[in-house]
Amino acid sequence: GAVVSQHPSRVICKSGTSVKIECRSLDFQATTMFWYRQFPKKSLMLMATSNEGSKATYEQGVEKDKFLINHASLTLSTLTVTSAHPEDSSFYICSARTGETEQYFGPGTRLTVT
Amino acid sequence: GQNIDQPTEMTATEGAIVQINCTYQTSGFNGLFWYQQHAGEAPTFLSYNVLDGLEEKGRFSSFLSRSKGYSYLLLKELQMKDSASYLCAVMDSNYQLIWGAGTKLIIKP
Repeated sequence: GAVVSQHPSRVICKSGTSVKIECRSLDFQATTMFWYRQFPKKSLMLMATSNEGSKATYEQGVEKDKFLINHASLTLSTLTVTSAHPEDSSFYICSARTGETEQYFGPGTRLTVT
Repeated sequence: GQNIDQPTEMTATEGAIVQINCTYQTSGFNGLFWYQQHAGEAPTFLSYNVLDGLEEKGRFSSFLSRSKGYSYLLLKELQMKDSASYLCAVMDSNYQLIWGAGTKLIIKP
């Protein structure tokens, strides 16, 4: 089946630093990749949608200068949290879509900002 | 606006049957998904319904009624490992997923 990987799985960084999270589709080409954030006891929140080779589309309220998304190829998308603060601590999940309905999730990355 | 409703928490007994309901109001409809999520992990796919009716897959079944904006996930022969959150998500007219807040299912021996 389709596999999506994320790296790192867990990361701790100091306030003010930047951290990059990678999302890869391992055995298929993803026309679209999504980045979600999950708050405790709440549903997944879509942050942005990215298509290979074009700028990401950010959801309302998501700061595009803070959450930089690069979709360099059909198998790789990166999310960079710039100048991280403790309130950015969360579980970040990417998903990759092939076709119109098949959507596969990565295992998630737990970010802790101290 | 778009809205997905499902109960916050349910409790059931090992070996029993539980039904988790989901109602939705979305702009367009391109299918409804059920995902299982264990604490600290990403969601895993359980089922996809785009036509009315019941889809059975082992111990799990999913039902959809588009006219009523309603779905349920039925879990039979509950096992302790089924303790998890169950997320209902609808794909809207733009092929984006709208998520419910999830139902935390607690299984007791």
